[in-house]
Amino acid sequence: GQQVMQIPQYQHVQEGEDFTTYCNSSTTLSNIQWYKQRPGGHPVFLIQLVKSGEVKKQKRLTFQFGEAKKNSSLHITATQTTDVGTYFCAGDFQKLVFGTGTRLLVSP
Amino acid sequence: DAMVIQNPRYQVTQFGKPVTLSCSQTLNHNVMYWYQQKSSQAPKLLFHYYDKDFNNEADTPDNFQSRRPNTSFCFLDIRSPGLGDAAMYLCATSRETGWPEAFFGQGTRLTVV
Repeated sequence: GQQVMQIPQYQHVQEGEDFTTYCNSSTTLSNIQWYKQRPGGHPVFLIQLVKSGEVKKQKRLTFQFGEAKKNSSLHITATQTTDVGTYFCAGDFQKLVFGTGTRLLVSP
Repeated sequence: DAMVIQNPRYQVTQFGKPVTLSCSQTLNHNVMYWYQQKSSQAPKLLFHYYDKDFNNEADTPDNFQSRRPNTSFCFLDIRSPGLGDAAMYLCATSRETGWPEAFFGQGTRLTVV
C-alpha cells in the first residue's frame, strides 16, 4: 500500500532556530499537502504542492516538492513558540494518506 | 460557522457494545474521510467516500463499518469495540479527490471501558 514517511519523528528547538521536516513517499504523487495539528486539535491545511520541483513560501514557512514528486520538505525559519505542533505531509493517492508526522517543540 | 461537525466530542462505550459516531458537513463536498488517530500517531485512513462510492482500506478491521445516507452525513459504526479501538476519530471532507485542502471536524474521542 501507499506509505508516506517523515523524519525526524520529533524535534525540540530553541525559539529563533530553524526547523526542517522531510517527507518521502513510496510511490510518485500527483500532489502533496501539508497540515499542522496543534496539541489537542485537529489537522489544519497549510498548503498543496502539485508541480515537480515546486517551491512555495508562506511567511517563515518554505515548502518544496521534489523533482521526482516522491519527496517534499517543510522548512521554518526562526521558529516561534506558536509553531509548536505536529506537522504532517499527506500524499494524494486519489485519497489522502498522512505521513508519520514530525512533532515540533519550541522553547522560549 | 462550523463546516464539519462531529458528534459527540467524547464518547465512552463498554467493551463489545456497538457504538456509532456521526459527522455532518455544510460544504456540500463530494469526498468524506474517516481517520483513526491514536496518541502521538498520524491519522490512519479507515474509509473514504466519493459521493456514495464507498472505499475501504485493506487493513481496516471488519469491526468498522460506515454509512453515508446523503451528501451531508456520514457515520462510523464500531460493531464490537475493543480496548484497542480507543482513539480519536476524525472526519474530513474535500470537494474532490486531488483538490487542495481537506477540512476536518474536531473529532470524537472514544474511550472503551
